[in-house]
Amino acid sequence: EAGVTQFPSHSVIEKGQTVTLRCDPISGHDNLYWYRRVMGKEIKFLLHFVKESKQDESGMPNNRFLAERTGGTYSTLKVQPAELEDSGVYFCASSQDWLGGRSRTDTQYFGPGTRLTVL
Amino acid sequence: TQLLEQSPQFLSIQEGENLTVYCNSSSVFSSLQWYRQEPGEGPVLLVTVVTGGEVKKLKRLTFQFGDARKDSSLHITAAQPGDTGLYLCAGARDYKLSFGAGTTVTVRA
Repeated sequence: EAGVTQFPSHSVIEKGQTVTLRCDPISGHDNLYWYRRVMGKEIKFLLHFVKESKQDESGMPNNRFLAERTGGTYSTLKVQPAELEDSGVYFCASSQDWLGGRSRTDTQYFGPGTRLTVL
Repeated sequence: TQLLEQSPQFLSIQEGENLTVYCNSSSVFSSLQWYRQEPGEGPVLLVTVVTGGEVKKLKRLTFQFGDARKDSSLHITAAQPGDTGLYLCAGARDYKLSFGAGTTVTVRA
């Protein structure tokens, strides 16, 4: 079974440009998450999809970030326009069942991440 | 403000020695997960602890969840060079994970 995949693995762009990151979760997983690790900081939650719906987007930094999950399969995270402080590693994770919060042991499987550098 | 305080930040030991990594918080979590991350890869789950006071063993790794479900520890017995890596703890609440900053463990042969 294929794991979570992310594309691209690296992206170097200039300030003001637009970048779109893609995540393909494990097939059949309802839940998809985006996380980010900026230099010297811990990994932080950005948002959570259940199928195609945004369940929680409390971690999104600002309105320059737009995440979509059309059809409830893969997801994209677009940053427009990119700023220097957006540099970091963006991780996607997926987990299987949405149990309405009843599960306490839902395992999240992480992708390898996309390293974004904004110059 | 960091929700989970992980210590130490770096740990370098000789092969065969024991080590313990701590993960502390003032918040209660529904579960606490330990991950290991290799360079260029995403975090890989080692274990999930759910019940206060729970102890889980994975070969030479022992994980403990505090009684109040706010803290946890990872103990490695007789560490080997293959244990070298970044260890992360993460508390789960409402389906999202809050991560500690990580502990970089280096085991010298």
